[in-house]
Amino acid sequence: QVQLVESGGGLVKPGGSLRLSCAASGFTFSDYYMSWIRQAPGKGLEWVSYISSSGSTIYYADSVKGRFTISRDNAKNSLYLQMNSLRAEDTAVYYCARPIATTGIFPFDHWGQGTLVTVSS
Amino acid sequence: DIQMTQSPSSLSASVGDRVTITCQASQDISNYLNWYQQKPGKAPKLLIYDASNLETGVPSRFSGSGSGTDFTFTISSLQPEDIATYYCQQYGNLLTFGGGTKVEIK
Repeated sequence: QVQLVESGGGLVKPGGSLRLSCAASGFTFSDYYMSWIRQAPGKGLEWVSYISSSGSTIYYADSVKGRFTISRDNAKNSLYLQMNSLRAEDTAVYYCARPIATTGIFPFDHWGQGTLVTVSS
Repeated sequence: DIQMTQSPSSLSASVGDRVTITCQASQDISNYLNWYQQKPGKAPKLLIYDASNLETGVPSRFSGSGSGTDFTFTISSLQPEDIATYYCQQYGNLLTFGGGTKVEIK
């Protein structure tokens, strides 16, 4: 069955960096776009970024553009999010998510369990 | 950017009640609208995609309708296990979520 397992979250100081990983299994990872979505504590959902199946097409939300970098390694069935210049407002649970079909980017029918990133001094 | 206005932000209803949530887009998004359910401490779950299509395995008491800028999500008969927060999500232009509707039992 499809599994997405995030890791790499933790406590980091403002201005610091963190790299999140998402290990995928149970499907042909290289066929699918993948996305990162985050949720601040007690708040709603915010899309962060997506990457095409080959990695050639990437989009970011304005709130993270220039600070975060999405990437993937299809040989390792893994998705990554490099987060630099972190701010308090980046504190959130970060989810990786897969779309319902190989032909699209959205909607998401599979999500990971999330990894918590806390930015605080 | 497309903004999604979801209402109400919370509601309280009795078991068996019909529950309706609306989502309004700031511009025409055709039918590029999905609905998710999120229970505390869990990842969101897709319920409805492309405005009105029921995801496989989702009970038929859940339904969606609308196109353009105005969309509706309905639970025809609220069940105790439906207690959750519901989000609309547009993908007419990149992706935006609505603010969420917390559904509670009266």
